[in-house]
Amino acid sequence: DAGVTQSPTHLIKTRGQQVTLRCSPKSGHDTVSWYQQALGQGPQFIFQYYEEEERQRGNFPDRFSGHQFPNYSSELNVNALLLGDSALYLCASLVLGETQYFGPGTRLLVL
Amino acid sequence: EDQVTQSPEALRLQEGESSSLNCSYTVSGLRGLFWYRQDPGKGPEFLFTLYSAGEEKEKERLKATLTKKESFLHITAPKPEDSATYLCAVWGSASKIIFGSGTRLSIRP
Repeated sequence: DAGVTQSPTHLIKTRGQQVTLRCSPKSGHDTVSWYQQALGQGPQFIFQYYEEEERQRGNFPDRFSGHQFPNYSSELNVNALLLGDSALYLCASLVLGETQYFGPGTRLLVL
Repeated sequence: EDQVTQSPEALRLQEGESSSLNCSYTVSGLRGLFWYRQDPGKGPEFLFTLYSAGEEKEKERLKATLTKKESFLHITAPKPEDSATYLCAVWGSASKIIFGSGTRLSIRP
């Protein structure tokens, strides 16, 4: 049973650019959450997608947007990148009301 | 506002030296408390979910307990491979999951 997968594993961008990160949920899961984790900190909730709609959102600006596809996979888009957006971006999948499982993450470096 | 505080920030133990990690929380309507293990540069690995005060769960050398204000992760006779960052997270009535900053655990052989 494949777990949560994310791509790419690493990414380097420059300030002002845009980036798209991808996530495939664990088999049987229909909900995807995205988190940002800065070095030495716990994951910070960005948003959650269920039935192709944004269900909840954390305290992140509109530069962060997402999408969920009919097969439950998801994308995270970040526009106008800032140096402070450098972080590990984590995707987690779940069935609502149950435990969420994380992917390996995408390490984003903004120069 | 929901909040999670983990202590200590870092803990160094000798192999075989048992100890506990603390997770204090403030949340409206606790629906669940989670413990994860995270190795450097990797995603968090699920360990336990606790749902109500008094609940306990065990897995190998780890045991998680829950009260109305805090949770403890007890590690018994740890081995070097238990070295990692341990994250605590709470799920409240607002439905968002809030993480603490973690405890970095290092076990010396």
